[in-house]
Amino acid sequence: SQELEQSPQSLIVQEGKNLTINCTSSKTLYGLYWYKQKYGEGLIFLMMLQKGGEEKSHEKITAKLDEKKQQSSLHITASQPSHAGIYLCGADGSGNTGKLIFGQGTTLQVKP
Amino acid sequence: GAVVSQHPSWVICKSGTSVKIECRSLDFQATTMFWYRQFPKQSLMLMATSNEGSKATYEQGVEKDKFLINHASLTLSTLTVTSAHPEDSSFYICSARETGGWSASYGYTFGSGTRLTVV
Repeated sequence: SQELEQSPQSLIVQEGKNLTINCTSSKTLYGLYWYKQKYGEGLIFLMMLQKGGEEKSHEKITAKLDEKKQQSSLHITASQPSHAGIYLCGADGSGNTGKLIFGQGTTLQVKP
Repeated sequence: GAVVSQHPSWVICKSGTSVKIECRSLDFQATTMFWYRQFPKQSLMLMATSNEGSKATYEQGVEKDKFLINHASLTLSTLTVTSAHPEDSSFYICSARETGGWSASYGYTFGSGTRLTVV
């Protein structure tokens, strides 16, 4: 079965600093999703990547999928306290079924 | 974008009682919905796939008699935790996939989750 490994597990950064979260899959990714979650709340969809080498950006967040489609990174530029939360990468292991497998999450704290 | 409403957002129940959680797609039809469970400081684990008009399919290790799923319409799926025990205390969250379509712009939409505490 497919597994997703996220690193780091937690991260504390000073406001204004850049940061990167990584997600590595044990198998080739059909689709890789990035979500943000506030503890005890629902998931907010950030971005979805499908093609090898694909890169998407929204505001100060950029997500990339490597050419081999087994690793993705999420990069936040000039972090703000509003970026704090838990970032989860998810993969549709069987291909567009909706049954997502998630990484263990990365908890981000941004110090003002 | 698509919106999924989950209710209640939190519930406390006594051990041995049953609790029903609702997941509604507000502005789209969802033939398929998914139920996840999240323990504190852990990731989401898929419990089951809810299929409109047919039986749900459960992931390995999930007791189907304990977690009853009903998907009676294209906009509503319910999860009933039967004879709840303290070990069932968790955060339950649903997601929905729009029938006949899927958007790379929106991914799969998740509800806001339900925190269940069994005392």
